[in-house]
Amino acid sequence: DSGVTQTPKHLITATGQRVTLRCSPRSGDLSVYWYQQSLDQGLQFLIQYYNGEERAKGNILERFSAQQFPDLHSELNLSSLELGDSALYFCASSPRDRLLLYGYTFGSGTRLTVV
Amino acid sequence: KNQVEQSPQSLIILEGKNCTLQCNYTVSPFSNLRWYKQDTGRGPVSLTIMTFSENTKSNGRYTATLDADTKQSSLHITASQLSDSASYICVVSDRGSTLGRLYFGRGTQLTVWP
Repeated sequence: DSGVTQTPKHLITATGQRVTLRCSPRSGDLSVYWYQQSLDQGLQFLIQYYNGEERAKGNILERFSAQQFPDLHSELNLSSLELGDSALYFCASSPRDRLLLYGYTFGSGTRLTVV
Repeated sequence: KNQVEQSPQSLIILEGKNCTLQCNYTVSPFSNLRWYKQDTGRGPVSLTIMTFSENTKSNGRYTATLDADTKQSSLHITASQLSDSASYICVVSDRGSTLGRLYFGRGTQLTVWP
């Protein structure tokens, strides 16, 4: 157990629908990162939050949004889902907004299948 | 453009054999390089982390090397086991002005056969 909790582990939904993925960072970590990993693709950085504020944006579609709540858990909202959105979605956390040498930990991911 | 390239894309070896995975990067300014192991359907788990001044770092049967001059790293696995079957991902961090960014390779898919 890495200490980063993601729910649900699996999600199957239809095209056009909206889903919410949840991430609880490791205790004490203030920063949360979201990644998308499609089949046979590398990890693609989506967005980062630090202590409730957006800090960096990657290749995140306009249909996707995220937020970090006062208790530091984060949610990734995916709307108007398309078949191509099927992927593994990972959350990672770190103690600060700057990437320290240690303390960057991944969750076990949410597998999203859009049918 | 900051990039991380890994080779080979996939590799099959027999149990007990050694193998070496390669990582070339163009990330600048360089901060550190990490190797992760990702089992199928699971999150990546850190194996080693190396800074600019470190040439070699070991973690059990895993040994990573770094040549910061040529911007190359390798991950050597000795006496492979069936449980080593996974994707191995090279990740390089830069020293950005506001925050470090991680650049991910696409991974090498290692399969160990009995």
